[in-house]
Formats: sequence, structure tokens, C-alpha cells
Amino acid sequence: NAGVTQTPKFQVLKTGQSMTLQCAQDMNHNSMYWYRQDPGMGLRLIYYSASEGTTDKGEVPNGYNVSRLNKREFSLRLESAAPSQTSVYFCASSTTGLEAKYEQYFGPGTRLTVT
Amino acid sequence: AQSVTQPDIHITVSEGASLELRCNYSYGATPYLFWYVQSPGQGLQLLLKYFSGDTLVQGIKGFEAEFKRSQSSFNLRKPSVHWSDAAEYFCAVESGGSNYKLTFGKGTLLTVNP
Repeated sequence: NAGVTQTPKFQVLKTGQSMTLQCAQDMNHNSMYWYRQDPGMGLRLIYYSASEGTTDKGEVPNGYNVSRLNKREFSLRLESAAPSQTSVYFCASSTTGLEAKYEQYFGPGTRLTVT
Repeated sequence: AQSVTQPDIHITVSEGASLELRCNYSYGATPYLFWYVQSPGQGLQLLLKYFSGDTLVQGIKGFEAEFKRSQSSFNLRKPSVHWSDAAEYFCAVESGGSNYKLTFGKGTLLTVNP
């Protein structure tokens, strides 16, 4: 049981390049999330998927797109990377249930640098 | 909108000393509240949670937190800090509505001196 896995762990991009961050969970969770973490800013929600087949914008969605490929996988795409997107990106998931749906399990993160 | 404030950006304590990390929230009703810990280079791990009932909740690693409605607070405590507790701690509140989002505070970095 690996929990939430993210690839790659590190990435350096040049401005204007595109890339996709991959996330997968093996806990049969319905909901998945993408966050970015910047110094002094805490975690900010980029996009989330409450269930397979649905996605919604979070607090900072501009410059990103997402795909909920199936129940296990939720990818984040940067179409044209900008230096402002330099950050650590975390994927998370949660199950169903009145209270359990709020308990999020996090992956180890992807550290992205855009030059 | 829901919000979370962690007034202390950085706290330093000596090993063996007691610890209290502060968290204040803004929410229209009784919220669901959480504390997460992030060790260096790692993802976040859930320490404890409050949904309802007893206002003093116990978590992993010897941590506890107390929900005080009158003060809109959910402070994290530990009686005796270990060097391995050095990490960043995040308080979070459910964002409300029909989705399952959390709103996180900006975090408190804990340094433990030997």
C-alpha cells in the first residue's frame, strides 16, 4: 500500500515549456486534490476532483489544467510554465464518509523550478 | 469565507519543554478542524482532528488540541517536545459548502534546541 505517489520528485523547466505532474493513489479514495506550497503562504488549492469524472477550480487555478484519468489518477498540467509557478506541488486524496471525506492524505510532493 | 490564522511563524523550544502552537479560525458554524505536520522534504501528515464532542482531542505522536468555541481557537499542545518534533505545523478548517475542501493556515515552523 503506497498511499499517494507523485512523479517526478524534481523538475526544472524553462519559461514557456509544458509538463504534466502525475499523481496516483491506491486507497480507493473518491476525492483528489492539487495544492501548491510557497514560503509563508501555506498550502493553496489549485484544483480538486470530488469524484471520478468531475473537476473544479480551487483558489489559484490560473495557468493550470487537470485531468481525472480514472479513480486512481489525477494529473496537473502546466501548458506554458512561468517563473511564478516555481513551487512545491502536493497531491492529496480523501475517502467518502461524513467526516472521513475531510481527512486528506498527501503525497511526497514535486519540487518544480521554472527559469 | 473561512480562514485560519496561525499567529506564530516560527517557534523555538528546548527539548523536553512544553509546546503550544496557536490557531484561530473564522467560520460561521462549528467547524471541522485539523492539525497537520510536515517534516523537512516530506508531504503533510494528519496529526489530529476535531469533528464534534469532546473538545480535547488526542492525536498521534503525543499531541493534543483543544477546541474553544468562545475563542475561535484550536491550539495544539505537547507536554514534552522531542528533537524529532522539529517540523512545520499547519492548522486547517473545512472550507464549508458541499465540497470537501480544506483551508490551511500559513504554518508554524518549530525548531527544537538540544
